[in-house]
Amino acid sequence: SAVISQKPSRDICQRGTSLTIQCQVDSQVTMMFWYRQQPGQSLTLIATANQGSEATYESGFVIDKFPISRPNLTFSTLTVSNMSPEDSSIYLCSARNAYEQYFGPGTRLTVT
Amino acid sequence: GQNIDQPTEMTATEGAIVQINCTYQTSGFNGLFWYQQHAGEAPTFLSYNVLDGLEEKGRFSSFLSRSKGYSYLLLKELQMKDSASYLCAAGFSNDYKLSFGAGTTVTVRA
Repeated sequence: SAVISQKPSRDICQRGTSLTIQCQVDSQVTMMFWYRQQPGQSLTLIATANQGSEATYESGFVIDKFPISRPNLTFSTLTVSNMSPEDSSIYLCSARNAYEQYFGPGTRLTVT
Repeated sequence: GQNIDQPTEMTATEGAIVQINCTYQTSGFNGLFWYQQHAGEAPTFLSYNVLDGLEEKGRFSSFLSRSKGYSYLLLKELQMKDSASYLCAAGFSNDYKLSFGAGTTVTVRA
């Protein structure tokens, strides 16, 4: 199994600012993803973090708002840019090999 | 989304068995995950089914029928700590992305 850590675990940010969330996996993984989970709801995929190239975004998510980096096989960052209260959510990093997919502990973001 | 359907809530008593069903569209399907999520925590991987049949892991078992677009998670000998949300997630095509159901909240009562 893969152990995933995220930083920060939570933050309270002001409208219009940006926050970068870091994700570290303890072993090399094939795929890394970023998800969002609103309170009481299921997980929504934001994007697939591709090593050494631009991330692949899902419908409704764009690079200017959620820039993503993945410089190597074990690390990725997600930036939430120009934040608004609607961005308040839990952001989860996920890592997958062929038959297993694991999630980090999440970053709880509150935008005021 | 890929129309991943699962019941919203289920309640059972301690020591009992509960079966959580999940249906999905079969087109392009390549595998199904089950996760457990306690309130305020991240999802925890429970199982992955890619072939038809039953996979047993202790008190938890997962079943898949690819032709019917159907899976279930079976929780046996329920304990209070099993009270959680259970998420069904299906993969489609070859891109490793998962589509999640809305989750089933299981409440275990004494």
